[in-house]
Amino acid sequence: AQTVTQSQPEMSVQEAETVTLSCTYDTSESDYYLFWYKQPPSRQMILVIRQEAYKQQNATENRFSVNFQKAAKSFSLKISDSQLGDAAMYFCAYTPLYGGATNKLIFGTGTLLAVQP
Amino acid sequence: NAGVMQNPRHLVRRRGQEARLRCSPMKGHSHVYWYRQLPEEGLKFMVYLQKENIIDESGMPKERFSAEFPKEGPSILRIQQVVRGDSAAYFCASSPPILLAGLYHGTDTQYFGPGTRLTVL
Repeated sequence: AQTVTQSQPEMSVQEAETVTLSCTYDTSESDYYLFWYKQPPSRQMILVIRQEAYKQQNATENRFSVNFQKAAKSFSLKISDSQLGDAAMYFCAYTPLYGGATNKLIFGTGTLLAVQP
Repeated sequence: NAGVMQNPRHLVRRRGQEARLRCSPMKGHSHVYWYRQLPEEGLKFMVYLQKENIIDESGMPKERFSAEFPKEGPSILRIQQVVRGDSAAYFCASSPPILLAGLYHGTDTQYFGPGTRLTVL
């Protein structure tokens, strides 16, 4: 079964500091995508960053970066220079690639990030 | 380019009534996905549709739930005879198509709408 596990229900960080959110997944597929989505209190799901499994280079989007360890099936999100607007629920998600096509997203249970001023 | 639109944003129904949730994908997107988020939980996949075709409904409850994506108009998620346990946020996402082996499939990145919060009294 394909599963995504986020073992940190809640995390807290001081404004301007760095925080890392953990995510592990289980799959027998070799081709897949991994994502981090942010859900602020408005409940809108916002794509933060994505990673293709065939790429060894870790994805980066401004203050957000990932540490993708394919062999360990680990996909952590690092937020640098944390801002008050980063406070949200963060979901890790996985989707397998079948012949280049994708299907459903499988989500973890989420990590609630609080940013302290 | 407008994002994924969902309406209504909030829907209140009494037990036994029907709920209809609508989703208009982003322009140019031909694949729609529905997810349900129960209180204090993550999103769970329900159904994946292409226009006039259900690709994967493995996450749909066997009874009372149905989905469609007609040639014209929005995708509809329909819940008949709602019960309190149906209270949740329902999210729709869309993705652009990719042509593979003569067939169109959804691509990797899904863009989410704002969700519909269903409350069953």
